[in-house]
Amino acid sequence: EAEVAQSPRYKITEKSQAVAFWCDPISGHATLYWYRQILGQGPELLVQFQDESVVDDSQLPKDRFSAERLKGVDSTLKIQPAELGDSAMYLCASSWGTGAYEQYFGPGTRLTVT
Amino acid sequence: AQRVTQPEKLLSVFKGAPVELKCNYSYSGSPELFWYVQYSRQRLQLLLRHISRESIKGFTADLNKGETSFHLKKPFAQEEDSAMYYCALRPGAQKLVFGQGTRLTINP
Repeated sequence: EAEVAQSPRYKITEKSQAVAFWCDPISGHATLYWYRQILGQGPELLVQFQDESVVDDSQLPKDRFSAERLKGVDSTLKIQPAELGDSAMYLCASSWGTGAYEQYFGPGTRLTVT
Repeated sequence: AQRVTQPEKLLSVFKGAPVELKCNYSYSGSPELFWYVQYSRQRLQLLLRHISRESIKGFTADLNKGETSFHLKKPFAQEEDSAMYYCALRPGAQKLVFGQGTRLTINP
């Protein structure tokens, strides 16, 4: 069964360093999502792609976060520089399209900033 | 602003007892509501959505627009139901808004 892949699974970095996460969605899924989940809270959408275009990045802290999906397939989320408050689980999800399609989640990358 | 509230962070019931996980939402339009579940060491996955009006793993959820609620219910809890449960709202055709989650523990 096809699944969303993410790497790395765990990342420890020092504050002010750069960090990057990678996501490979289920083949054929046009829509890709990056969520941040702080401990004790539900996931919060950071950015949504439709193919290679960003359709929602209203909650992405653009001074330090960037996301790309150059060929409309896999995606990278970058933080530079990392801050202590960025410690969280970063989840990637994909779906056939926007709207009513089910979102399938990856295992997540747990980031710890020291 | 659209918001989802799950008032119980932790819920513990005995096996065979009824379970109800509460979810309230704030949205003035016609909502789409979902329940997601995360079992230990597994990914977050969709459990059910209100438009399907189906029962999954014995769970049901009814949308009550008057009370703006979408509580998840199961008449007889099983140990394998122990998990983290998230209620989510999709206002209009926009992004999912998740609640804080409820950790359900079923005691033997």
